[in-house]
Amino acid sequence: SQQGEEDPQALSIQEGENATMNCSYKTSINNLQWYRQNSGRGLVHLILIRSNEREKHSGRLRVTLDTSKKSSSLLITASRAADTASYFCASNTGNQFYFGTGTSLTVIP
Amino acid sequence: GAVVSQHPSWVICKSGTSVKIECRSLDFQATTMFWYRQFPKQSLMLMATSNEGSKATYEQGVEKDKFLINHASLTLSTLTVTSAHPEDSSFYICSARDAPGAGGYTFGSGTRLTVV
Repeated sequence: SQQGEEDPQALSIQEGENATMNCSYKTSINNLQWYRQNSGRGLVHLILIRSNEREKHSGRLRVTLDTSKKSSSLLITASRAADTASYFCASNTGNQFYFGTGTSLTVIP
Repeated sequence: GAVVSQHPSWVICKSGTSVKIECRSLDFQATTMFWYRQFPKQSLMLMATSNEGSKATYEQGVEKDKFLINHASLTLSTLTVTSAHPEDSSFYICSARDAPGAGGYTFGSGTRLTVV
């Protein structure tokens, strides 16, 4: 299976704290993307990092990429209750991409 | 931005019947669309890659005769679950590449299929 792994599987934090999720993938990539999914809903694209980039920021999101380790991390700073959702990384090989197993984040108000 | 419309958003059907799910790119042409299945509390698993005007490419373990994919135009791909069974109950999501070289993919909002 080409599916990547994410850890932790579940994360529960207090509002205002930072949340860090990690993702590992298996093949060479063109880019890696992070998505958010609220329960039973579709996916929302959060951020894309290209294979030649090491770090990217977007608002409260910070993504890192280490292609030598085939890993990425997503940091959400100053979390809010509305950030409660599942977060997936997706490694893009060029023609298709594969999702990680996901991290379920709960932000407690 | 690019929008992918998926319809229906939910459907309940009886065992043995067939269900068609549509995936439309609203403001761009999508030569390639992708179909995913997601079981509760699990990740998305790629089922097949749909190419306009040609046969879909199915991932290993996905029955092509059960999950019929048609990509007859540059803006529409359909997934038909034939002779549905309760174990086919799942969340199905499509996505389309929104522009050549963009590196980004746009997802539909998903279809919740329940087979009773």
